[in-house]
Amino acid sequence: DAGVTQSPTHLIKTRGQQVTLRCSPKSGHDTVSWYQQALGQGPQFIFQYYEEEERQRGNFPDRFSGHQFPNYSSELNVNALLLGDSALYLCASSSRRGEQYFGPGTRLTVT
Amino acid sequence: AQTVTQSQPEMSVQEAETVTLSCTYDTSENNYYLFWYKQPPSRQMILVIRQEAYKQQNATENRFSVNFQKAAKSFSLKISDSQLGDTAMYFCAFMKLGTGANSKLTFGKGITLSVRP
Repeated sequence: DAGVTQSPTHLIKTRGQQVTLRCSPKSGHDTVSWYQQALGQGPQFIFQYYEEEERQRGNFPDRFSGHQFPNYSSELNVNALLLGDSALYLCASSSRRGEQYFGPGTRLTVT
Repeated sequence: AQTVTQSQPEMSVQEAETVTLSCTYDTSENNYYLFWYKQPPSRQMILVIRQEAYKQQNATENRFSVNFQKAAKSFSLKISDSQLGDTAMYFCAFMKLGTGANSKLTFGKGITLSVRP
């Protein structure tokens, strides 16, 4: 039983560019949440997808957007990248009202 | 809004000893979960233990146990018989329970635990 998977592992982008990160949830899970973790800090909630709709959103600008597909996998898109977007991006999946299980993360570096 | 506070940035413990990591939280909610997650240098966030707020009994998972004090809004993690593999960053997290879909996790800043051989 595969756990939560994320791709790519690492990514280097230039300011102003756009990036797409991908997440496949654990088998049996239908909810995907995205978190941003700056170095040495706790993860901050970006948004959550359930039934292909954004259900909750944290305090992140509209440059951050997402999508959930019928197979429950999800994408996180960030437009007009800033240096401050450099972080570890974590995807977590869960069943309804269940525990969240995290993927290994994508390390994004913006130069 | 909920807040989670982990005031100890770093702790160190000798292998085989016991260590307690502290966490306090603030919420006006009555139904919620509390979690401890472990993040080793590999970056993978691993669920260590979960506590439901409506349960008075403290959760236990092998060498890991919690001391949940609901009135004091305190949720500490005790690691017994510490092992070198316990070296990691530990995060306390809060999740509100609602009637709808899953809620978000609110994390503390984390504490770096080092286990000395």
